[in-house]
Amino acid sequence: EVQVVESGGGLVKPGGSLRLSCAASGFTLSDYSMNWVRQAPGKGLEWVSSISPSSSYIYYADSVKGRFTISRDNAKNSLYLQMNSLRAEDTAVYYCAREPYAGQIAPYAFDIWGQGTMVTVSS
Amino acid sequence: QSALTQPASVSGSPGQSITISCTGTNSDIGGYNYVSWYQQHPGQAPKLMIYEVNNRPSGVSNRFSGSKSGNTASLTISGLQAEDEADYYCTSYTSITTPYVFGTGTKVTVL
Repeated sequence: EVQVVESGGGLVKPGGSLRLSCAASGFTLSDYSMNWVRQAPGKGLEWVSSISPSSSYIYYADSVKGRFTISRDNAKNSLYLQMNSLRAEDTAVYYCAREPYAGQIAPYAFDIWGQGTMVTVSS
Repeated sequence: QSALTQPASVSGSPGQSITISCTGTNSDIGGYNYVSWYQQHPGQAPKLMIYEVNNRPSGVSNRFSGSKSGNTASLTISGLQAEDEADYYCTSYTSITTPYVFGTGTKVTVL
């Protein structure tokens, strides 16, 4: 079964750090770009960050630039999000999402999503 | 990058058709044919319903269709069913500095 499973969420104080992980199975991670998307409680979806298959291209939303770092380990079929200097407004469910590229089915869309991991930033 | 604009809510009776709009700019929807739509039921992860403006992934009902005109994309649900009640989000590929932007989301209610 093709799936991704997030982990690493939890309660952290403002200014603290957290590292999220996303474990991929059923497909070859190195064939796809990967993304993090978040959803604050009761709010809409917000794209957070993207990383290309070989980590050559990395992008961040302005709201997290300079504080969050996306990375991947294709050998371990894993995606990561290092979150530093956390703020209350970073409180959200964080989803890992697979992104096919041109030539694959559903390019530049998010075709596989995990169930998400909750991050709460509060004192 | 501002979010794409969607109506907050759309409703319809079973069997009817509804259309959800998603308005952007020349830098996103108007500039690329990489518009996708997602369905999200409460407490669940989003699910891809439409990609590349009007393509359905395998397993998605043909009651769902997409289109685009200028800077506005649309999702149409025909033969509305109770199970279609959910939140719907559009997204578009955009500039290379921030490659994706989501819509504000639309709550679909089946009356």
